[in-house]
Amino acid sequence: SQQGEEDPQALSIQEGENATMNCSYKTSINNLQWYRQNSGRGLVHLILIRSNEREKHSGRLRVTLDTSKKSSSLLITASRAADTASYFCATDARDDKIIFGKGTRLHILP
Amino acid sequence: DAGITQSPRHKVTETGTPVTLRCHQTENHRYMYWYRQDPGHGLRLIHYSYGVKDTDKGEVSDGYSVSRSKTEDFLLTLESATSSQTSVYFCAISESRTANTGELFFGEGSRLTVL
Repeated sequence: SQQGEEDPQALSIQEGENATMNCSYKTSINNLQWYRQNSGRGLVHLILIRSNEREKHSGRLRVTLDTSKKSSSLLITASRAADTASYFCATDARDDKIIFGKGTRLHILP
Repeated sequence: DAGITQSPRHKVTETGTPVTLRCHQTENHRYMYWYRQDPGHGLRLIHYSYGVKDTDKGEVSDGYSVSRSKTEDFLLTLESATSSQTSVYFCAISESRTANTGELFFGEGSRLTVL
């Protein structure tokens, strides 16, 4: 079974609104990463948060990590049309495997 | 962009035939991964490598084998392709496994159709 599960599976919001996606995982981790995938392309790394960090920012992105609940959230503020993509969380479960969730499809409406 | 090249980018083959997908990197990264992506399943890890000749199984390794004889090349082989192996295959590389890094860089994918 997969380590990470994103929620919701799909999300449509108006341009300019904030988008929040959640990720839950099952086992202890070293770090958690978020990736973006545009249609037909490979994944692109967005941000990495370590297990001893609770919050991290990068531009319009804000990631939180709650290891007690085994969950993370990705917030994209002031969304733009270019943010339309699928977003995946990936966990490093203290071995060499990096396991991805099923992703959240985000659609920004004009 | 990280120097990762997957080949072929598209392939159509018949059930029972062998298929090899190649991932070539110019970054000298130690770690290489093969994932498959299917609707409703996200990305699933097939095999990975943590060095030359050092490989291990991922979540969905049945029906697949890999080889890494050089740092820059990681081959994924389907010995006898089945229709269930129709998918988009992604190669990824990573420089380090420390908590500070571990970012994956992805190739553009190889779309395989097994008829």
